[in-house]
Amino acid sequence: AQTVTQSQPEMSVQEAETVTLSCTYDTSENNYYLFWYKQPPSRQMILVIRQEAYKQQNATENRFSVNFQKAAKSFSLKISDSQLGDTAMYFCAFMKLQTGANNLFFGTGTRLTVIP
Amino acid sequence: KAGVTQTPRYLIKTRGQQVTLSCSPISGHRSVSWYQQTPGQGLQFLFEYFSETQRNKGNFPGRFSGRQFSNSRSEMNVSTLELGDSALYLCASSLARTTNEQFFGPGTRLTVL
Repeated sequence: AQTVTQSQPEMSVQEAETVTLSCTYDTSENNYYLFWYKQPPSRQMILVIRQEAYKQQNATENRFSVNFQKAAKSFSLKISDSQLGDTAMYFCAFMKLQTGANNLFFGTGTRLTVIP
Repeated sequence: KAGVTQTPRYLIKTRGQQVTLSCSPISGHRSVSWYQQTPGQGLQFLFEYFSETQRNKGNFPGRFSGRQFSNSRSEMNVSTLELGDSALYLCASSLARTTNEQFFGPGTRLTVL
């Protein structure tokens, strides 16, 4: 079974500063995807960034980057130059790389507040 | 391209009733997954449909069921509603190819009284 753990229920950051959200996971799989999803107060879940486990290079999307440590089963999200629109719940998620296993295992989420 | 749409957005039911929720995926997406989101249990996978067949199922009782139509639209049904079924039900669609990226709808907020 796969488990995803987000140990920070809530975090806050000053606008324009950098914040890192933590995520660890447990799996016996070798091939999988990891995701960070953002759920703003309007509730629409949006994909922030994706990492394929077979890629050693950390994924980057504009102000968002990850630190993927496969051996440690760690997948943290760094948000640089935080903006007010970054205020949301952030979910770390795991998916097996397997046909017919198109389901996500989510962590409990981290509520991020960007302070003006 | 239009995103994932879910109807209705809000629903109030009483215990014992049944409910049907609808999800229209992004055009061209053949996989539809359903998730339940509650404050206590977080986000939990219900089931996935691909080409009108249930391909994957989470750990929910048989009161939760679903189906997918030939146009990839999907419905989920909950029978004999319980108070604990109150939740946000999210639908996600994907191409179900190598990227496996799921695109979520806005959800249906179900309240069971």
